[in-house]
This record gives sequence, structure tokens and C-alpha cells, in this order.
Amino acid sequence: GDSVTQTEGQVTVSESKSLIINCTYSTTSIAYPNLFWYVRYPGEGLQLLLKVITAGQKGSSRGFEATYNKETTSFHLQKASVQESDSAVYYCALGANTDKVVFGTGTRLQVSP
Amino acid sequence: EAAVTQSPRNKVTVTGGNVTLSCRQTNSHNYMYWYRQDTGHGLRLIHYSYGAGNLQIGDVPDGYKATRTTQEDFFLLLELASPSQTSLYFCASSDGAGYTEVFFGKGTRLTVV
Repeated sequence: GDSVTQTEGQVTVSESKSLIINCTYSTTSIAYPNLFWYVRYPGEGLQLLLKVITAGQKGSSRGFEATYNKETTSFHLQKASVQESDSAVYYCALGANTDKVVFGTGTRLQVSP
Repeated sequence: EAAVTQSPRNKVTVTGGNVTLSCRQTNSHNYMYWYRQDTGHGLRLIHYSYGAGNLQIGDVPDGYKATRTTQEDFFLLLELASPSQTSLYFCASSDGAGYTEVFFGKGTRLTVV
């Protein structure tokens, strides 16, 4: 079946520093899957941060970027300069030709002032 | 704007108790989902539905029942609650299968004592 791996359960970064959250995926789908990053702020539900449907393309939103790399089956999330308001839980997700989106385990980002 | 509303937001029950979690979506989406979120496990799919009267089994269905009474309403039932079901539960909806964006409610925190 399909799976998404996020290796870091928690990441702490100082404000204005750069961030990378790793995500790799595996799929049995013949077609390339859609890849997503969702974010969950405290007390809120998950919301879509960005989505990329074409291998080789980059998605961006709110200063975050992620590039769909089919060679390394990766979709890492990056930001050049984080702010305290970015503190949240980030989920990588994969959508293929099934009824379900598959989510990673989530990475909690703590931005320190 | 798309909206998924869960109730209650917090619930405490005793072991062996009967609990119903409610979810309503005003997105006119066909698909609705129930997930549980636990540290170290990420989001795990309990049950989902692609229309009124339809129910599909997710990845962790044991101990849970669900019912989709209308296109808008999806209920999760715990008939004999156990401490292992203490978790944060999310309801979600989408207008298609795995390729599309999923819209989430704010979650219900359930504690079984």
C-alpha cells in the first residue's frame, strides 16, 4: 500500500532561521500521486498548506516551499526564515487513485524567540 | 467557505460508556472521514463514507461504528468505550477521492477514564 514517512517528530528552530522538514513517500499507484503539506495550529483542525500534482514542480505558500522529487520520492518542506507564528504541527500527505489520502505521522515545529 | 463542524469539542466518559461524536459539513462533499490522532501515530483513518447510507471501513475500525445519515451528517459511535480510545478525533470531508483537498473540523478530544 501507500505510505508517507516523516522522520522527525519534533523540530526546534530559532526565529529567523531556516527550516527543513523531511518527507518521503512510497506508492503502488501506476500514476504519480498528488503530494500535500497540511498544517495544524493549536486548537484548530488541519488545513492545506500547499499541494503539488506534477513531478518536478514546486509548490509554495506563506513562505513555505516543497518540491516533488520522483527520483528520490521526497517532498521536503522548507522555509528560509521561520517566525513564532509558524509553530504548529506539519503533516505530509499523499493522494493517489484511491478513496483515501495517506498522512505522515506529523512533525511538531517549535520556533523559539 | 467550506466548513466542517464537530461536536462536542471535549468529552470525558467512563470505561464501558456509550459515546457519540457528531460531524456536519456544509461543503456539499460526497466523502466524509473519521480519523484519530495520537502522538507517534499521526492520523489514522477509522471509517469513511462516500454518501448517505454508505460506510467504508478504514485502517483502525475495531471498537468503532459509524453512520452517515445524510450527505451532511456523519456520526462516530463508541458503544463500549475503553481507555485505549482516549484520543483526538477529527472529522473531515472532501469532494473526491485521494487526489483532492481534505477539509477538517477542529477536533474532539475524548478522554475515557
